Amino acid sequence: SQTIHQWPATLVQPVGSPLSLECTVEGTSNPNLYWYRQAAGRGLQLLFYSVGIGQISSEVPQNLSASRPQDRQFILSSKKLLLSDSGFYLCAWSVPGRVSNQPQHFGDGTRLSIL
Amino acid sequence: AQTVTQSQPEMSVQEAETVTLSCTYDTSESDYYLFWYKQPPSRQMILVIRQEAYKQQNATENRFSVNFQKAAKSFSLKISDSQLGDAAMYFCAYRSRANNDMRFGAGTRLTVKP
Repeated sequence: SQTIHQWPATLVQPVGSPLSLECTVEGTSNPNLYWYRQAAGRGLQLLFYSVGIGQISSEVPQNLSASRPQDRQFILSSKKLLLSDSGFYLCAWSVPGRVSNQPQHFGDGTRLSIL
Repeated sequence: AQTVTQSQPEMSVQEAETVTLSCTYDTSESDYYLFWYKQPPSRQMILVIRQEAYKQQNATENRFSVNFQKAAKSFSLKISDSQLGDAAMYFCAYRSRANNDMRFGAGTRLTVKP
């Protein structure tokens, strides 16, 4: 069966520091991968999605970036964190291709607090 | 771009009773998919139910059912015989047939009273 791992679970970092959140999927090949942010008390905002290695689509311009160095690895990064980057970050995967009736499966999330 | 609106930030229901959560969406597409996700305090996102827009029959999963009104662009979730474990944030989501991304509503926090 497929599993998704996301770490760390919690992170506290100062403003201006770099960020790296990692997400890996097991049990499937060439999944679609997603990064979402959920601000406190708000819904999910799609940040990036990827349909293959090195293919990244950005939904919202910001100081975050994403990379997919391997088929089942998705990394969310920032060179300098802002206070507004605080939130709950969720990684998700779905079956490959444009199979839109398939749901996305989410990781456990990372709670990021910026001091 | 498609938008999803959940007009009820908070709802509460008595245990064993029925509650309906509202969701409307805006799209010019005719073929798409709709989902309801549940996010308990553990923050995991759990798929509750999904509906294909081309299907007229409303989806049902045990105590969960939807009322899909395509013309009105409405997709409400009904929870019957509510249980304490149903307490969570519920998100409505839209997925275009043409895109890989999903659009989520702001969520509805459901409280279940014993």
